[in-house]
Amino acid sequence: GENVEQHPSTLSVQEGDSAVIKCTYSDSASNYFPWYKQELGKGPQLIIDIRSNVGEKKDQRIAVTLNKTAKHFSLHITETQPEDSAVYFCAASITSGTYKYIFGTGTRLKVLA
Amino acid sequence: EPEVTQTPSHQVTQMGQEVILRCVPISNHLYFYWYRQILGQKVEFLVSFYNNEISEKSEIFDDQFSVERPDGSNFTLKIRSTKLEDSAMYFCASRQGWETFFGQGTRLTVV
Repeated sequence: GENVEQHPSTLSVQEGDSAVIKCTYSDSASNYFPWYKQELGKGPQLIIDIRSNVGEKKDQRIAVTLNKTAKHFSLHITETQPEDSAVYFCAASITSGTYKYIFGTGTRLKVLA
Repeated sequence: EPEVTQTPSHQVTQMGQEVILRCVPISNHLYFYWYRQILGQKVEFLVSFYNNEISEKSEIFDDQFSVERPDGSNFTLKIRSTKLEDSAMYFCASRQGWETFFGQGTRLTVV
């Protein structure tokens, strides 16, 4: 069935360093890939997304890359700050139909000051 | 900024009792969802709702679950007879366009 794998499950980086989180999806029909940040006690908040017709998208310190052939997509956070500490979820969706999300298992990012 | 709001933030219920989780989606959105997240696990799709009917449901969404949009603003998830394994964070979401917006969640604890 549909599945999204996400690695690593935890990631600790020094403030100012970069963080990379990787996801692999199984359904080749997936064409929309959002990334959500979840802080303690809050719901997931969209931080960046990418559609299958592009290979990379950047928004300030955050970038996402997509390799459709390999069915991989990755989140890159540069110049990390303590406030980047949270759980990050990737998701895959098919935009014809219900747009339901298949989420990855989450990555707990800790940025050490 | 518009947001999805959920009430209550935390619900404790006895096993076998019925619970209703409430959500107010973003006002101009037409697509509504419930997801759940068991502690320490991934967020899982439960059900999608459009045009006053279920458009898709997962295998988790069995006969104990139902959804309703009783008026123009609320979207509810009912669990008829709760089980211990229903304990989880339940997220409501709504969408209009590409982006799906999530509420802050209701933590359901079944004791």
